Amino acid sequence: GENVEQHPSTLSVQEGDSAVIKCTYSDSASNYFPWYKQELGKRPQLIIDIRSNVGEKKDQRIAVTLNKTAKHFSLHITETQPEDSAVYFCAPRRVSNFGNEKLTFGTGTRLTIIP
Amino acid sequence: NAGVTQTPKFQVLKTGQSMTLQCAQDMNHEYMSWYRQDPGMGLRLIHYSVGAGITDQGEVPNGYNVSRSTTEDFPLRLLSAAPSQTSVYFCASSRAPSSYEQYFGPGTRLTVT
Repeated sequence: GENVEQHPSTLSVQEGDSAVIKCTYSDSASNYFPWYKQELGKRPQLIIDIRSNVGEKKDQRIAVTLNKTAKHFSLHITETQPEDSAVYFCAPRRVSNFGNEKLTFGTGTRLTIIP
Repeated sequence: NAGVTQTPKFQVLKTGQSMTLQCAQDMNHEYMSWYRQDPGMGLRLIHYSVGAGITDQGEVPNGYNVSRSTTEDFPLRLLSAAPSQTSVYFCASSRAPSSYEQYFGPGTRLTVT
């Protein structure tokens, strides 16, 4: 199965600064790379994702970059705000028409925005 | 649409008791799964199902049973609760095999004493 690692496990940044979280994976056949955000006491929710035929995707203040050769992808948050404080999870996987749906989530990164 | 719903929200069990955590979705999703989340840890896959009548084990299946008799429902059964099963349980669903996003339920916080 997929081995997934996230770094760092905790991250504190000043409000307005940028934050970067990295996810490394082992399965070279992975073709879908999402990031989920989980606020305290809430359910995880998808915030951005990228597919293997794209190197970068941006949505307002968040972006994801993919390096398939090195088998890692990163979440970038710019101009951080207090509401960005949460735990972020990556969940890379190989999506196919044969239903390989055994998802593996990273261990999470706790991001704290310091006002 | 209600999305993914879970009941109960909170539960306290004594060691050895059994119970069923309920999960339902009204989005006609084929794929459903159960995760547990321990304090300070990520989501670990317990069991999953790619359609009615089909289930398979995830990363941490011991002590849990599942069945999928309908597309909408995917209950998780604890046969004989143990303190090590104290956790928050999340159910998730997605359209499979070509869909990507997982939709999570609100979670069930289970404490086993």
